Amino acid sequence: KAGVTQTPRYLIKTRGQQVTLSCSPISGHRSVSWYQQTPGQGLQFLFEYFSETQRNKGNFPGRFSGRQFSNSRSEMNVSTLELGDSALYLCASSLDSATQYFGPGTRLLVL
Amino acid sequence: DAKTTQPTSMDCAEGRAANLPCNHSTISGNEYVYWYRQIHSQGPQYIIHGLKNNETNEMASLIITEDRKSSTLILPHATLRDTAVYYCIVRPLYNQGGKLIFGQGTELSVKP
Repeated sequence: KAGVTQTPRYLIKTRGQQVTLSCSPISGHRSVSWYQQTPGQGLQFLFEYFSETQRNKGNFPGRFSGRQFSNSRSEMNVSTLELGDSALYLCASSLDSATQYFGPGTRLLVL
Repeated sequence: DAKTTQPTSMDCAEGRAANLPCNHSTISGNEYVYWYRQIHSQGPQYIIHGLKNNETNEMASLIITEDRKSSTLILPHATLRDTAVYYCIVRPLYNQGGKLIFGQGTELSVKP
Protein backbone atom coordinates (compact mmCIF):
# COMPACT_ATOMS: atom_id res chain seq x y z
CA LYS A 1 0.00 0.00 0.00
CA ALA A 2 1.27 3.47 -0.81
CA GLY A 3 2.02 5.67 2.15
CA VAL A 4 0.89 9.19 2.91
CA THR A 5 2.02 11.65 0.27
CA GLN A 6 2.39 15.39 0.65
CA THR A 7 2.92 18.02 -2.00
CA PRO A 8 4.86 20.10 -2.49
CA ARG A 9 7.83 18.92 -0.47
CA TYR A 10 9.48 22.33 -0.33
CA LEU A 11 8.04 25.79 -0.68
CA ILE A 12 9.34 29.34 -0.38
CA LYS A 13 6.89 32.20 0.12
CA THR A 14 7.08 35.81 1.21
CA ARG A 15 5.31 37.48 4.09
CA GLY A 16 1.69 38.30 3.41
CA GLN A 17 1.22 35.61 0.78
CA GLN A 18 -0.97 32.58 1.24
CA VAL A 19 -0.09 28.94 0.73
CA THR A 20 -1.98 25.69 0.16
CA LEU A 21 -0.49 22.33 1.06
CA SER A 22 -1.89 18.99 -0.04
CA CYS A 23 -2.04 15.59 1.61
CA SER A 24 -3.15 12.26 0.15
CA PRO A 25 -3.84 9.67 2.85
CA ILE A 26 -3.29 5.96 2.75
CA SER A 27 -6.03 4.30 0.72
CA GLY A 28 -9.03 3.58 2.92
CA HIS A 29 -8.05 6.02 5.66
CA ARG A 30 -10.72 8.60 6.38
CA SER A 31 -8.97 10.56 9.13
CA VAL A 32 -6.36 13.16 8.20
CA SER A 33 -4.53 15.24 10.79
CA TRP A 34 -2.14 18.14 10.30
CA TYR A 35 0.81 19.13 12.46
CA GLN A 36 3.31 21.97 12.51
CA GLN A 37 6.88 21.32 13.60
CA THR A 38 9.28 24.12 14.50
CA PRO A 39 12.56 24.01 16.43
CA GLY A 40 11.11 26.16 19.18
CA GLN A 41 7.67 24.65 19.68
CA GLY A 42 8.21 21.08 18.52
CA LEU A 43 5.36 19.09 16.99
CA GLN A 44 1.99 20.77 17.43
CA PHE A 45 -1.42 19.56 16.36
CA LEU A 46 -3.27 21.84 13.94
CA PHE A 47 -6.53 20.06 13.12
CA GLU A 48 -8.08 16.78 12.10
CA TYR A 49 -10.60 16.00 9.40
CA PHE A 50 -12.76 12.91 9.26
CA SER A 51 -15.26 12.26 6.46
CA GLU A 52 -14.95 15.86 5.23
CA THR A 53 -15.70 17.35 8.68
CA GLN A 54 -13.28 19.02 11.04
CA ARG A 55 -13.33 16.88 14.15
CA ASN A 56 -10.50 18.32 16.25
CA LYS A 57 -8.76 21.65 16.30
CA GLY A 58 -5.54 22.77 17.91
CA ASN A 59 -4.66 26.18 19.27
CA PHE A 60 -3.73 28.02 16.09
CA PRO A 61 -5.06 31.32 14.70
CA GLY A 62 -7.79 31.42 12.10
CA ARG A 63 -5.20 32.03 9.38
CA PHE A 64 -4.71 28.28 9.43
CA SER A 65 -7.55 26.40 7.82
CA GLY A 66 -8.14 23.11 6.12
CA ARG A 67 -10.59 21.00 4.27
CA GLN A 68 -11.09 17.42 3.22
CA PHE A 69 -12.53 16.13 0.00
CA SER A 70 -14.81 13.17 -0.59
CA ASN A 71 -11.82 11.03 -1.59
CA SER A 72 -10.24 11.84 1.83
CA ARG A 73 -7.51 13.98 0.33
CA SER A 74 -6.94 17.05 2.45
CA GLU A 75 -5.56 20.53 1.99
CA MET A 76 -4.44 23.05 4.51
CA ASN A 77 -4.22 26.74 3.82
CA VAL A 78 -2.28 29.44 5.60
CA SER A 79 -3.25 33.00 4.74
CA THR A 80 -1.26 36.18 5.34
CA LEU A 81 1.97 34.31 5.98
CA GLU A 82 4.26 35.43 8.79
CA LEU A 83 7.94 34.69 9.28
CA GLY A 84 7.00 32.46 12.22
CA ASP A 85 5.00 30.19 9.94
CA SER A 86 8.25 28.78 8.58
CA ALA A 87 8.06 25.15 9.61
CA LEU A 88 7.75 21.54 8.59
CA TYR A 89 4.07 20.78 8.03
CA LEU A 90 3.17 17.16 8.53
CA CYS A 91 0.08 15.28 7.57
CA ALA A 92 -0.97 11.98 9.12
CA SER A 93 -3.70 9.58 8.14
CA SER A 94 -5.44 6.95 10.17
CA LEU A 95 -7.92 4.17 9.66
CA ASP A 96 -9.23 4.27 13.20
CA SER A 97 -7.89 7.63 14.47
CA ALA A 98 -5.82 5.75 17.02
CA THR A 99 -2.64 4.96 15.08
CA GLN A 100 -1.33 7.75 12.88
CA TYR A 101 0.79 7.27 9.77
CA PHE A 102 2.74 10.33 8.80
CA GLY A 103 3.81 11.68 5.45
CA PRO A 104 7.25 13.12 4.71
CA GLY A 105 6.11 16.68 5.31
CA THR A 106 6.20 19.97 3.44
CA ARG A 107 8.98 22.34 4.44
CA LEU A 108 7.76 25.92 4.20
CA LEU A 109 10.13 28.87 4.33
CA VAL A 110 8.62 32.33 4.67
CA LEU A 111 10.92 35.21 3.71
CA ASP B 1 0.89 19.76 27.71
CA ALA B 2 2.43 16.36 27.19
CA LYS B 3 1.62 13.91 29.97
CA THR B 4 4.93 12.07 29.71
CA THR B 5 8.50 12.63 30.85
CA GLN B 6 11.45 11.29 28.90
CA PRO B 7 15.21 11.81 29.12
CA THR B 8 16.41 14.41 26.67
CA SER B 9 19.07 12.22 25.11
CA MET B 10 20.63 8.75 25.27
CA ASP B 11 23.47 6.93 23.60
CA CYS B 12 23.58 3.28 22.61
CA ALA B 13 26.27 1.12 21.04
CA GLU B 14 25.42 -0.46 17.72
CA GLY B 15 24.20 -4.04 18.14
CA ARG B 16 23.25 -3.55 21.77
CA ALA B 17 19.73 -3.19 23.12
CA ALA B 18 18.43 0.35 23.46
CA ASN B 19 16.13 0.84 26.43
CA LEU B 20 14.18 4.08 26.32
CA PRO B 21 12.24 4.97 29.49
CA CYS B 22 9.08 7.01 29.79
CA ASN B 23 7.24 8.21 32.88
CA HIS B 24 3.49 8.72 32.71
CA SER B 25 2.45 8.83 36.36
CA THR B 26 -0.94 10.49 35.65
CA ILE B 27 -2.07 7.99 33.02
CA SER B 28 -5.77 7.20 33.09
CA GLY B 29 -7.28 3.75 32.93
CA ASN B 30 -8.44 4.15 29.34
CA GLU B 31 -5.19 5.63 28.02
CA TYR B 32 -2.75 3.72 25.91
CA VAL B 33 1.00 4.21 25.67
CA TYR B 34 2.16 4.95 22.13
CA TRP B 35 5.68 5.25 20.77
CA TYR B 36 6.68 7.07 17.62
CA ARG B 37 10.09 8.00 16.31
CA GLN B 38 11.27 10.69 13.96
CA ILE B 39 14.41 10.29 11.95
CA HIS B 40 15.94 13.63 11.09
CA SER B 41 13.68 15.77 8.85
CA GLN B 42 11.28 12.90 8.13
CA GLY B 43 7.71 12.39 9.31
CA PRO B 44 7.23 10.53 12.61
CA GLN B 45 6.94 6.77 12.33
CA TYR B 46 4.60 4.66 14.45
CA ILE B 47 6.47 1.99 16.43
CA ILE B 48 4.18 0.27 18.91
CA HIS B 49 1.42 0.81 21.47
CA GLY B 50 0.00 -0.97 24.48
CA LEU B 51 -2.46 -0.70 27.36
CA LYS B 52 -1.08 -2.81 30.19
CA ASN B 53 0.37 -5.98 28.79
CA ASN B 54 3.82 -6.12 27.28
CA GLU B 55 3.77 -5.86 23.51
CA THR B 56 6.24 -6.91 20.83
CA ASN B 57 6.34 -6.40 17.10
CA GLU B 58 8.98 -6.57 14.40
CA MET B 59 10.41 -3.20 15.40
CA ALA B 60 10.45 -3.17 19.18
CA SER B 61 9.12 -4.36 22.51
CA LEU B 62 7.08 -2.28 24.95
CA ILE B 63 7.25 -3.05 28.64
CA ILE B 64 4.63 -1.33 30.84
CA THR B 65 4.96 -1.51 34.61
CA GLU B 66 2.17 -3.11 36.58
CA ASP B 67 1.02 0.23 38.00
CA ARG B 68 1.20 1.66 34.44
CA LYS B 69 3.07 4.73 35.64
CA SER B 70 6.06 4.08 33.45
CA SER B 71 7.13 2.12 30.42
CA THR B 72 10.23 1.16 28.45
CA LEU B 73 10.66 0.86 24.73
CA ILE B 74 13.26 -1.73 23.81
CA LEU B 75 15.05 -1.87 20.49
CA PRO B 76 16.71 -5.29 20.81
CA HIS B 77 19.65 -4.80 18.45
CA ALA B 78 20.09 -1.12 17.70
CA THR B 79 21.55 -0.10 14.35
CA LEU B 80 22.81 3.26 13.13
CA ARG B 81 19.48 3.69 11.33
CA ASP B 82 17.71 3.70 14.70
CA THR B 83 19.26 7.09 15.47
CA ALA B 84 16.19 9.30 15.89
CA VAL B 85 14.01 11.21 18.33
CA TYR B 86 11.67 8.83 20.16
CA TYR B 87 8.34 10.11 21.43
CA CYS B 88 6.28 8.47 24.14
CA ILE B 89 2.61 9.54 24.04
CA VAL B 90 -0.34 8.56 26.20
CA ARG B 91 -3.85 8.90 24.83
CA PRO B 92 -7.23 7.23 24.77
CA LEU B 93 -7.59 4.76 21.94
CA TYR B 94 -10.41 6.53 20.13
CA ASN B 95 -11.87 9.37 22.20
CA GLN B 96 -9.23 11.87 21.17
CA GLY B 97 -9.65 11.32 17.46
CA GLY B 98 -6.51 11.89 15.46
CA LYS B 99 -4.88 14.30 17.90
CA LEU B 100 -1.45 13.41 19.22
CA ILE B 101 0.25 15.55 21.87
CA PHE B 102 4.00 15.32 21.41
CA GLY B 103 6.51 16.14 24.13
CA GLN B 104 10.18 16.81 23.51
CA GLY B 105 11.08 13.14 23.15
CA THR B 106 14.39 11.35 23.64
CA GLU B 107 17.14 11.85 21.11
CA LEU B 108 18.74 8.42 20.71
CA SER B 109 22.21 8.29 19.17
CA VAL B 110 23.39 4.86 18.11
CA LYS B 111 27.16 4.83 17.85
CA PRO B 112 29.41 2.37 16.02
